[in-house]
Amino acid sequence: GAVVSQHPSRVICKSGTSVKIECRSLDFQATTMFWYRQFPKQSLMLMATSNEGSKATYEQGVEKDKFLINHASLTLSTLTVTSAHPEDSSFYICSARAPGVLNEQYFGPGTRLTVT
Amino acid sequence: SQQGEEDPQALSIQEGENATMNCSYKTSINNLQWYRQNSGRGLVHLILIRSNEREKHSGRLRVTLDTSKKSSSLLITASRAADTASYFCATLRLGAGGTSYGKLTFGQGTILTVHP
Repeated sequence: GAVVSQHPSRVICKSGTSVKIECRSLDFQATTMFWYRQFPKQSLMLMATSNEGSKATYEQGVEKDKFLINHASLTLSTLTVTSAHPEDSSFYICSARAPGVLNEQYFGPGTRLTVT
Repeated sequence: SQQGEEDPQALSIQEGENATMNCSYKTSINNLQWYRQNSGRGLVHLILIRSNEREKHSGRLRVTLDTSKKSSSLLITASRAADTASYFCATLRLGAGGTSYGKLTFGQGTILTVHP
């Protein structure tokens, strides 16, 4: 299957700082990428959907000014957690999909964010 | 909100036994997918079943879909200790727009433990 990478895999930052997470589709062009958040022993919660070259669409309750998403190319999307707080500590997972709503989504390995 | 509901929430079995997990959903779907997630890792796509299919096999996996009952089951036969993981169903909903259009909605997951 297709490969999606995320970087970094783990990050620890201090409260008030910003953290950027990268998501790359390595062997296909992803017109749509999704960002999920997962708390321990819970399911994935969709945060936002990003389409290449346009603004991301955020799910209800997700602050767009806090979670900045940029999808500047067909292989790269970034999620920046601004002014991070301990409650932002979580597992962030991205997924990428080739053109076409019915195409399979491929998931990255996730990024563990810890805010101290 | 999460559309998929899975049961059981946790399942503990011995190696060699079969494991059955169920998933129910509330709205019409285009397809239903099952994923596996090892602790602290990303998701691995297991199998996709379309709304016009009733059963699908892949190796030791068997998935059924009953659209009249809005439910699906995942059967893992002859389980192995390496099958220990969380299993999620996810539905892809299509329709006349709506906020869920083209997005996967994940269930709460079943934690499977296979004892050697």
